Amino acid sequence: EADIYQTPRYLVIGTGKKITLECSQTMGHDKMYWYQQDPGMELHLIHYSYGVNSTEKGDLSSESTVSRIRTEHFPLTLESARPSHTSQYLCASSDFDSQENTGELFFGEGSRLTVL
Amino acid sequence: KNQVEQSPQSLIILEGKNCTLQCNYTVSPFSNLRWYKQDTGRGPVSLTIMTFSENTKSNGRYTATLDADTKQSSLHITASQLSDSASYICVVSDRGSTLGRLYFGRGTQLTVWP
Repeated sequence: EADIYQTPRYLVIGTGKKITLECSQTMGHDKMYWYQQDPGMELHLIHYSYGVNSTEKGDLSSESTVSRIRTEHFPLTLESARPSHTSQYLCASSDFDSQENTGELFFGEGSRLTVL
Repeated sequence: KNQVEQSPQSLIILEGKNCTLQCNYTVSPFSNLRWYKQDTGRGPVSLTIMTFSENTKSNGRYTATLDADTKQSSLHITASQLSDSASYICVVSDRGSTLGRLYFGRGTQLTVWP
């Protein structure tokens, strides 16, 4: 069982609202990720972090922002939500070792966002 | 372009039957291949991970195979159960990047009927 948690699991909000999706892990992993997933489609990387104070944009352009002030915490924020932001957002962390090319990717349960 | 293609897109089988899911990839240089199970509305959970030198790996009723020469993998499910109904995602990692870049397939949606 992975120790990575996302809140809220479900969120329905109106257009223009600011939202923050929370993600926390207790495994001490340096690497954390946010993926976006639409039904029947592959996961797309939108943000990642190598460690505290490190954040990078992923492959899929996203209007969201992230922060990494603490190792265990990697929240995602949308300043002004729009219907096009409706999607499933998955947080993950990894103990990937680039030297050994080993490691596992652990996912949270996801946050389903619906913007009306 | 690095890609991961999975087939079939969806599959319906009766409880107790076996099935095989396919994954073809073009990711290079190859590092490892993973199979994940994703229940509806949940996050993916790892089933197996295989490196270049591994041909087969089992996890209970799940057996994954890898042919690195033809860049193909399969996931075989034996004696299916209702709880096997889920999306099965093939994920390939390349070698050489510090992130261990991951390429995701779209998944095969498996439905097991009683």
